Amino acid sequence: SAVISQKPSRDICQRGTSLTIQCQVDSQVTMMFWYRQQPGQSLTLIATANQGSEATYESGFVIDKFPISRPNLTFSTLTVSNMSPEDSSIYLCSDRSGSGEAFFGQGTRLTVV
Amino acid sequence: KQEVTQIPAALSVPEGENLVLNCSFTDSAIYNLQWFRQDPGKGLTSLLLIQSSQREQTSGRLNASLDKSSGRSTLYIAASQPGDSATYLCAVTGSNYKLTFGKGTLLTVNP
Repeated sequence: SAVISQKPSRDICQRGTSLTIQCQVDSQVTMMFWYRQQPGQSLTLIATANQGSEATYESGFVIDKFPISRPNLTFSTLTVSNMSPEDSSIYLCSDRSGSGEAFFGQGTRLTVV
Repeated sequence: KQEVTQIPAALSVPEGENLVLNCSFTDSAIYNLQWFRQDPGKGLTSLLLIQSSQREQTSGRLNASLDKSSGRSTLYIAASQPGDSATYLCAVTGSNYKLTFGKGTLLTVNP
C-alpha cells in the first residue's frame, strides 16, 4: 500500500493569511486528490491533481481559493488562501492504487482564528 | 447523484461484543466500495476494499459484505476491543472514478 506523508499535521492561522499543505507519496502516482472535512461532516472532494496539467476542481471550489501544485508524480501541495474561520477543517490528500484502493495522508487540522 | 448513508450514526457497545455497521448507496453502478477507520482529528486508514464483482472481504476480525444490486454493505466487527473505538466511514467509487463518502458511524467500545 502507498504511504502518504502529509504536513503540517495541524496549524492555527490568522484570518486573511494562507497555508500550504504538502503531500509526499512513496511511489509514483498518476492522480492525487485533495479533500476537505468540515467539523462533524464527511469528506468532500476539492480537486484532482494530475502531473503536468491544471488541477480539476469540483463544484464550489475555485483555483484562486485553493491553488494546487503537482510538480512531479510523488508530490503535491494545496494552498488555502485568504483564510476565514469557515475554512477551519481537516484537509486530506489521497491517491489510488492500481486496484482502485484509496490511501490517505494523516490529515492537516486547520483552525482559523 | 450518488448518496451514501451510514446507520447508525453512533454506537456504544461493551468490550467483546460482535457488531454490525451498515452502509447503503443509491446508485448501484459502482467500481468498488471501501471501508475506512478515522481516529479523531486524523486521516483515514483503509480497512477493506470490495470490488464490484466481489461479495465480501475479510481481514482479521473484520468482515465486509457487498450486495451491489440492493445498494448495501455491512462491516462486521467480531469480539470488539476498546482500541476499535473510532469513526468508521464507507465510500463508493462511482462511474466517474470519484469517491462518495457516508457521514460515518462513531463507535465506542467500553472496557
